[in-house]
Amino acid sequence: RKEVEQDPGPFNVPEGATVAFNCTYSNSASQSFFWYRQDCRKEPKLLMSVYSSGNEDGRFTAQLNRASQYISLLIRDSKLSDSATYLCVVNPSSGSARQLTFGSGTQLTVLP
Amino acid sequence: DAGVTQSPTHLIKTRGQQVTLRCSPKSGHDTVSWYQQALGQGPQFIFQYYEEEERQRGNFPDRFSGHQFPNYSSELNVNALLLGDSALYLCASSFAGVRTEAFFGQGTRLTVV
Repeated sequence: RKEVEQDPGPFNVPEGATVAFNCTYSNSASQSFFWYRQDCRKEPKLLMSVYSSGNEDGRFTAQLNRASQYISLLIRDSKLSDSATYLCVVNPSSGSARQLTFGSGTQLTVLP
Repeated sequence: DAGVTQSPTHLIKTRGQQVTLRCSPKSGHDTVSWYQQALGQGPQFIFQYYEEEERQRGNFPDRFSGHQFPNYSSELNVNALLLGDSALYLCASSFAGVRTEAFFGQGTRLTVV
């Protein structure tokens, strides 16, 4: 079993749609969680950190369920510019960013 | 403020050769991690350097080695290149503090032929 598992997609949604991505992780001792965004042939960039019960940033909402070892990302009112691969990332430590474990990513295409 | 910079951006090597990739961390960062990203996959952790020492290592063979210099910059060396080493190599820098974010460089795309 992979340490971090994501639905690879692709997800093709119309502009304005709401889309949700799910992620599960196997290491119950994991301390911090992130969603990164990666555009085609570019480096990953931090989208959101997910601590304790989750958080919201504009159109983006991330949730964490420690009991189920499950993380989600909700994107509301999708924009064309949201098209990218979304990477679920787990850090086994609550301290410095060491040995981030990435899922394989979920590809999103927002259609006009 | 310059972010994480990597060089070169692209590289083509022949199987069996050796390669060195370079990374300069974001200003103020003292920790450098290296990742390998194969096509269609998420980045895989290779190792991390802090205070010029390898602190953690992922599941990569000894052909992969690294170094960190006093100015916090880092090198990744890969010996005896295999076709399967073709990938995007990403450097991430961070500060060895509590709840710090890792910033990635644009990567070096290595092709082994």
